[in-house]
Amino acid sequence: SQTIHQWPATLVQPVGSPLSLECTVEGTSNPNLYWYRQAAGRGLQLLFYSVGIGQISSEVPQNLSASRPQDRQFILSSKKLLLSDSGFYLCAWSAGLPSTDTQYFGPGTRLTVL
Amino acid sequence: SQQGEEDPQALSIQEGENATMNCSYKTSINNLQWYRQNSGRGLVHLILIRSNEREKHSGRLRVTLDTSKKSSSLLITASRAADTASYFCATDRRGGATNKLIFGTGTLLAVQP
Repeated sequence: SQTIHQWPATLVQPVGSPLSLECTVEGTSNPNLYWYRQAAGRGLQLLFYSVGIGQISSEVPQNLSASRPQDRQFILSSKKLLLSDSGFYLCAWSAGLPSTDTQYFGPGTRLTVL
Repeated sequence: SQQGEEDPQALSIQEGENATMNCSYKTSINNLQWYRQNSGRGLVHLILIRSNEREKHSGRLRVTLDTSKKSSSLLITASRAADTASYFCATDRRGGATNKLIFGTGTLLAVQP
């Protein structure tokens, strides 16, 4: 069966520090991968998605970036965090076939920027 | 802007009652999905309804889709305290990139025991 992992689970970082959040998927190959951010009490905002290694599409211009160095690994990064980067970050995957549109989410990372 | 908007934003009911949540969207879709999120956790997929379907059931869940009104509803029957969570609709926009979903802002459901 497929599983998706995210780490760390929680993170407290000072303004201006770098960020690296990691997401890995097991039990599937060539997944579509997604990074979302959820502000407190709000819906999900799609940040990045990837349909293959090295292929990243950005949805929202900001100081975050994403990379996909391996088929089942998706990394969210920042060189300098802002206060507004605080939130709940969720990674998700979906099958590569167009007929399968369900997304499966990881447990999330709670990021607090102070 | 968000493609989907849920209504109401918050709903409080007693255990055993039915809960109905609505979702409206703006553009043509391929399908619409409902997800559930327990506080501080990831989202869990509940049900997917395609644009050519009008109603779908899964256990105590019933989803309807009215493409002419660009709206969907999620009904949870005989609610339980464990149903307490936020519920989101998500649409896969027709003509857009495959598997790109747009989520609504969610309905927070509280089921009182």
